[in-house]
Amino acid sequence: AQTVTQSQPEMSVQEAETVTLSCTYDTSESDYYLFWYKQPPSRQMILVIRQEAYKQQNATENRFSVNFQKAAKSFSLKISDSQLGDAAMYFCAISESDMRFGAGTRLTVKP
Amino acid sequence: ETGVTQTPRHLVMGMTNKKSLKCEQHLGHNAMYWYKQSAKKPLELMFVYSLEERVENNSVPSRFSPECPNSSHLFLHLHTLQPEDSALYLCASSQDSAGNTEAFFGQGTRLTVV
Repeated sequence: AQTVTQSQPEMSVQEAETVTLSCTYDTSESDYYLFWYKQPPSRQMILVIRQEAYKQQNATENRFSVNFQKAAKSFSLKISDSQLGDAAMYFCAISESDMRFGAGTRLTVKP
Repeated sequence: ETGVTQTPRHLVMGMTNKKSLKCEQHLGHNAMYWYKQSAKKPLELMFVYSLEERVENNSVPSRFSPECPNSSHLFLHLHTLQPEDSALYLCASSQDSAGNTEAFFGQGTRLTVV
């Protein structure tokens, strides 16, 4: 069974600063995929970034990057140069055959 | 707009009512999903359809009944719900159900059971 834990229910960051959201997971598989999704107030979940477990190189997508530690089963999201539009719920997810999500972290961006 | 449309956006129903949630995607995807999102809880995967066949049913009560008439449409039929079923119901689709592709989500239906 897959479980995903996001230990930070809420986080806050100053505009233009950097913030890191934590995620740990549990799986018995060696091949899987990890995702970070963003859910703004409009409620529509949007993919932020994804990481294949077989790749050692950390994924990056513009201001978003991950720190993937396979042995520790950790998959944190770093947001650099935070913008007001980054304010949202962020969900970590793991997928082998189907996708399982964490409880989410609510990110507030202060101007 | 991600290509997945859910209707209605909001629904209030009594415990004796019967209603249906609708999801539509025109992305050419072969897999569709229903998730339940409750406050401060992980998204709960309810049902998975692949090529119009149900491939997963995560111990969901029978008062929730999914239907996938074709690869573009997914329904969730509701009857005799309980107040604890109030939640945001999200539909998603992906290219396939193998798990390695991005899921595209609708905006959800906010369901309130009174």
